[in-house]
Amino acid sequence: QKEVEQNSGPLSVPEGAIASLNCTYSDRVSQSFFWYRQYSGKSPELIMSIYSNGDKEDGRFTAQLNKASQYVSLLIRDSQPSDSATYLCAVIQGAQKLVFGQGTRLTINP
Amino acid sequence: NAGVTQTPKFQVLKTGQSMTLQCAQDMNHNSMYWYRQDPGMGLRLIYYSASEGTTDKGEVPNGYNVSRLNKREFSLRLESAAPSQTSVYFCASSVGTGAYEQYFGPGTRLTVT
Repeated sequence: QKEVEQNSGPLSVPEGAIASLNCTYSDRVSQSFFWYRQYSGKSPELIMSIYSNGDKEDGRFTAQLNKASQYVSLLIRDSQPSDSATYLCAVIQGAQKLVFGQGTRLTINP
Repeated sequence: NAGVTQTPKFQVLKTGQSMTLQCAQDMNHNSMYWYRQDPGMGLRLIYYSASEGTTDKGEVPNGYNVSRLNKREFSLRLESAAPSQTSVYFCASSVGTGAYEQYFGPGTRLTVT
């Protein structure tokens, strides 16, 4: 089992709809979770961090964490074509190491 | 405030050649990291430096060496490049290890022929 798993996609969503990205992790003691956005040919850019169970909202983005089920998700409301990118889920494991999932490629269709 | 900078942006090497990738950050961060990114593999940690004067292996350290030159700079060296090292290399930094966000440089695209 991979330490951090994401559906590689591609995930296609119509403009204005909600995009839902999911991630599961294997280390039950993980405490810190991050979502990065990566445009093609560019470096990863941090968009959300979440540390507690529940929801965390920042503008059109909402991160959701469920430690009991070991999953973290990212919702993007009112999706825009500029949201088309690969979204990387990352989890701190062993107190120091940031482990990335393989990423989900999201395409927003106008 | 440039954040994390990397040089060079692109490099082509022949098998067996050596080179050093440079990374610098101006955010006064304590911790720095080197990752490689391959298609379908996500980002994998090569080496990291929790603080000035320390370095530790990550997930894929074989074939690489690192130097934490000072608090700002962290270099990655390939002593004898192999085609399997063709990848995009990213440097990142954070305030510390653990529950701190990491900020990435623009990357170096390396091709080994």
